Amino acid sequence: DAGVIQSPRHEVTEMGQEVTLRCKPISGHNSLFWYRQTMMRGLELLIYFNNNVPIDDSGMPEDRFSAKMPNASFSTLKIQPSEPRDSAVYFCASSYSGVYTGELFFGEGSRLTVL
Amino acid sequence: AQKITQTQPGMFVQEKEAVTLDCTYDTSDPSYGLFWYKQPSSGEMIFLIYQGSYDQQNATEGRYSLNFQKARKSANLVISASQLGDSAMYFCAMRVAQKLVFGQGTRLTINP
Repeated sequence: DAGVIQSPRHEVTEMGQEVTLRCKPISGHNSLFWYRQTMMRGLELLIYFNNNVPIDDSGMPEDRFSAKMPNASFSTLKIQPSEPRDSAVYFCASSYSGVYTGELFFGEGSRLTVL
Repeated sequence: AQKITQTQPGMFVQEKEAVTLDCTYDTSDPSYGLFWYKQPSSGEMIFLIYQGSYDQQNATEGRYSLNFQKARKSANLVISASQLGDSAMYFCAMRVAQKLVFGQGTRLTINP
């Protein structure tokens, strides 16, 4: 089975540009999570979806960040406009959430550098 | 609110020794799950072990075991017979409902 697939793996952009990160969760998983990892702040939960519905976006830094999940097999995280402080590794993860919730399976991450 | 604390930023251990990585948590919800993940230098997040709050026995997975002390709200990871390949960042995490939050991590270095 394919794992969580993220694209792009690496992105270098200039300040002010729009960035879109993409994620395909594992088939059958009904929860999807976006995390950001930096040296200073560690792993931060940005937003998570359950059955394609955003449940908690309290971790989204500001209005420049938005996330969508139009269907069960695709999600995007968009930053517009990007700033140098957005440079980080962005992880997407999925899991099955039911009566018993399973572990999160992570993608390989998207490394974003904003110049 | 959920909170996970890992107090050891870094640890150095001799190969073949056992190592314990500390993790304490705080939640008012009686139902929660505790996880450990490994992140090697290549960057991927690898699931190691899980403990449910109602589980009576400590979880074990091969060389990994989770020392779950509910009254103390601690969930320490024990790695037996450490190997050079165990050198990595290790993250403790807690899941309440669907939300998973991570500690700051411990960088483990295994010396030959």
